[in-house]
Amino acid sequence: GAVVSQHPSWVICKSGTSVKIECRSLDFQATTMFWYRQFPKQSLMLMATSNEGSKATYEQGVEKDKFLINHASLTLSTLTVTSAHPEDSSFYICSARDHQRNGNTIYFGEGSWLTVV
Amino acid sequence: GENVEQHPSTLSVQEGDSAVIKCTYSDSASNYFPWYKQELGKGPQLIIDIRSNVGEKKDQRIAVTLNKTAKHFSLHITETQPEDSAVYFCAASIIHDYKLSFGAGTTVTVRA
Repeated sequence: GAVVSQHPSWVICKSGTSVKIECRSLDFQATTMFWYRQFPKQSLMLMATSNEGSKATYEQGVEKDKFLINHASLTLSTLTVTSAHPEDSSFYICSARDHQRNGNTIYFGEGSWLTVV
Repeated sequence: GENVEQHPSTLSVQEGDSAVIKCTYSDSASNYFPWYKQELGKGPQLIIDIRSNVGEKKDQRIAVTLNKTAKHFSLHITETQPEDSAVYFCAASIIHDYKLSFGAGTTVTVRA
């Protein structure tokens, strides 16, 4: 089946620094990828929609200057958390739409744990 | 926007029994309803999905039913096994929109 890979799976960074998380679709082209954030024991909250070759669309309340998204190719989207603070610590998950196979099916990556100290 | 409610929040069943999770949605335009299983520390895994032109779909021990009129859909797991223990999320979206709105999740525990 379709595979979406995230890297790194976990990262610890110092407060004030930036950290980049990659999301790759390994066996299909993804014109659209999504970034979610999940706090412990809570549901997934959509942060933004990443479209290949164009600007990301952010959900209400998500700071686009803090969470930079780049979707430079059909298989890679990156999320950069800029000037990270402890409250940014969370589980970040990406998903990708396989539009060529199974229509609307969306596959998720394994997630990236971010801890800001 | 779409609002998805999911019940129950926790569910404990004896191994071999059935588990049922129910979700309701608010946007009548939603026409795609996937279910995801999430194990601790991992990303959600698609286990089954249903489109609005179908009322029921089954895949081995897992089945999903959809009632468009009432705007609710349910996940049924039969003959539960310990490895079914996880958090299950329902979601809804409009097919050409692709943005998933998730329910709050159900923690399923299968007792051996």
